[in-house]
Amino acid sequence: GAGVSQSPSNKVTEKGKDVELRCDPISGHTALYWYRQSLGQGLEFLIYFQGNSAPDKSGLPSDRFSAERTGGSVSTLTIQRTQQEDSAVYLCASSLRVASLGQFFGPGTRLTVL
Amino acid sequence: GQQLNQSPQSMFIQEGEDVSMNCTSSSIFNTWLWYKQDPGEGPVLLIALYKAGELTSNGRLTAQFGITRKDSFLNISASIPSDVGIYFCAGQISKAAGNKLTFGGGTRVLVKP
Repeated sequence: GAGVSQSPSNKVTEKGKDVELRCDPISGHTALYWYRQSLGQGLEFLIYFQGNSAPDKSGLPSDRFSAERTGGSVSTLTIQRTQQEDSAVYLCASSLRVASLGQFFGPGTRLTVL
Repeated sequence: GQQLNQSPQSMFIQEGEDVSMNCTSSSIFNTWLWYKQDPGEGPVLLIALYKAGELTSNGRLTAQFGITRKDSFLNISASIPSDVGIYFCAGQISKAAGNKLTFGGGTRVLVKP
């Protein structure tokens, strides 16, 4: 596709369930980023990938959060045992290389934990 | 950790007015970026600033990278209804942490009733 795509666009889940969020970066982009945006707030960095490796996981809020990227393309962000405070919009961005200064964002996945 | 303070948090505009918003940080950034986010969409890059003191324009938008590298402002001239949205500043340290962005809290631009 022409841009970054994310799925699902909306996810409602019950507290304690696991969820998987998917990101398809722009074709050829080697760097991929996950951010979280709480209601009315700015974006908070979670994790980034250079290829399939994640050099910086410092932004992950807890060990319930994990992410992987396979084939240098699609990435999944997994939240285990979801809590209500996990409710937010999860945004994915990609850039041509880590050294590239422009990050292109997807539309996000709105997660609601009941 | 690093924080970006963005102000104002919200503003009302009337068509034709010029508006201004700014962002300050306690830390130095190598790059400043301004994004606009519409409802249900991801942020879209408006302007990128790479050098301290740099003044850059993109149509009706003008942004400056502060000389101390700790602040930036964004001006919108002759505002139009489609300027409504949330504007975010973001700082980037190019040589560390994979160019992750640190975002301000956003300025919500609304139309005067």
